[in-house]
Amino acid sequence: NAGVTQTPKFQVLKTGQSMTLQCAQDMNHNSMYWYRQDPGMGLRLIYYSASEGTTDKGEVPNGYNVSRLNKREFSLRLESAAPSQTSVYFCASSSGGLLYEQYFGPGTRLTVT
Amino acid sequence: GQQVMQIPQYQHVQEGEDFTTYCNSSTTLSNIQWYKQRPGGHPVFLIQLVKSGEVKKQKRLTFQFGEAKKNSSLHITATQTTDVGTYFCAGNFGNEKLTFGTGTRLTIIP
Repeated sequence: NAGVTQTPKFQVLKTGQSMTLQCAQDMNHNSMYWYRQDPGMGLRLIYYSASEGTTDKGEVPNGYNVSRLNKREFSLRLESAAPSQTSVYFCASSSGGLLYEQYFGPGTRLTVT
Repeated sequence: GQQVMQIPQYQHVQEGEDFTTYCNSSTTLSNIQWYKQRPGGHPVFLIQLVKSGEVKKQKRLTFQFGEAKKNSSLHITATQTTDVGTYFCAGNFGNEKLTFGTGTRLTIIP
């Protein structure tokens, strides 16, 4: 049981480049989430997916797109990276509903120069 | 918007001293969860509080949920070096999403 996996672990982009962060979970969870973590800011929700085929914006969605490819996979795309998107990105999953904890992946550390 | 405030941002304690972090919301929460993130790691779920006035214990950790379900605290008794990390509260306002506090980074002076 790998839990939640993310690729890549590290990435450096130049301003204007695009990339996709991949996330997969093997716990048969319905809900998946993308967060960014910046110093002093805690974890801020970018997008989430309550079930396969649905996605919704979180607190900071601008500059990002997501795809819930199937129940296991939830990807985050940066179409034109900006230095303000330098951050650590975490994917998480949960069974769904109000009372279930979230399981986090190891994170992707992204630097945009 | 719905926010969860957490204080303090940093706490340095001598090993063996106690530690407390506090979370506050301006609106009533459905429930609150607590997570721990070790340096360089990812957040890991500790506990969930649902009922008004609820108190839960995990060994040296005591979690409380306020009577009005607007505040919560985490208290660690007699800290150890293994307690090092950042502790986050995460409030649920009645939907699928969690709103995380900014976290309290705990460092231990041996």
